[in-house]
Amino acid sequence: GESVGLHLPTLSVQEGDNSIINCAYSNSASDYFIWYKQESGKGPQFIIDIRSNMDKRQGQRVTVLLNKTVKHLSLQIAATQPGDSAVYFCAENNQGGKLIFGQGTELSVKP
Amino acid sequence: NAGVTQTPKFRVLKTGQSMTLLCAQDMNHEYMYWYRQDPGMGLRLIHYSVGEGTTAKGEVPDGYNVSRLKKQNFLLGLESAAPSQTSVYFCASSYVPGTYGYTFGSGTRLTVV
Repeated sequence: GESVGLHLPTLSVQEGDNSIINCAYSNSASDYFIWYKQESGKGPQFIIDIRSNMDKRQGQRVTVLLNKTVKHLSLQIAATQPGDSAVYFCAENNQGGKLIFGQGTELSVKP
Repeated sequence: NAGVTQTPKFRVLKTGQSMTLLCAQDMNHEYMYWYRQDPGMGLRLIHYSVGEGTTAKGEVPDGYNVSRLKKQNFLLGLESAAPSQTSVYFCASSYVPGTYGYTFGSGTRLTVV
C-alpha cells in the first residue's frame, strides 16, 4: 500500500563508490520495468529499462537487475558522481496499459 | 527541442477558482498522461488518454477533468480548486505503453490557498 506523508528512503554514498538502489514491484505479471531519475525541480528522466525475459541489462555506468522470483528490481550506479544526486523511481508495466511508479529513493552523493 | 511542454510552470490559485493546465507533445505519441506528485510520494495517475478524443480515469481522478481534442495536446482542468490539490503536476506521453518509457514534461507547481 501507499505510505502517506513519510519521507523518501534515502541512500547516502561517497563520491566514487558504487550505489545500489532497490525496488520491490507488486505484480508478477508485469513484463517491462524502467528506472527514472528525477533531479530537483525537473520531471523524471528515463535511465534504463529491462524486459521480463532478461535478468540483467547494462548501460553507461548503470546496470539494472531483475529477480522475478522475489519481484525485485535494482539499479546499480558505478563510480557515483555528485551529478547522480537525485530521486530514483522504478516503474512497472502491469499489462494494464499504464506504468505503476514506486515511491522513490533519494540518492545523496557526498564529495 | 522535441519533447513534452507544460504550461504554466507555476501558479497560485485561491480556493474555488478554476484553471487549465496545458500539455503539448511533438513526438506524435498516441498516449498521454497526467500525474500529480506530492512530497514523499511517488507519481499518482490522475487521467490518461490512449488517443485523440479519448480519456480515462486514473488512480486519483476526483476534482479533475481532461480533454484530448488534438493528438498533440492534453488539457487538465480544475473546476473548483481545493487546498488538497496543491501539488506538482507532470504530463507524460509515450508510444505503446509497456514497450517504451514515458517522456515527461518539466512540471507545473500549483499552490491552492
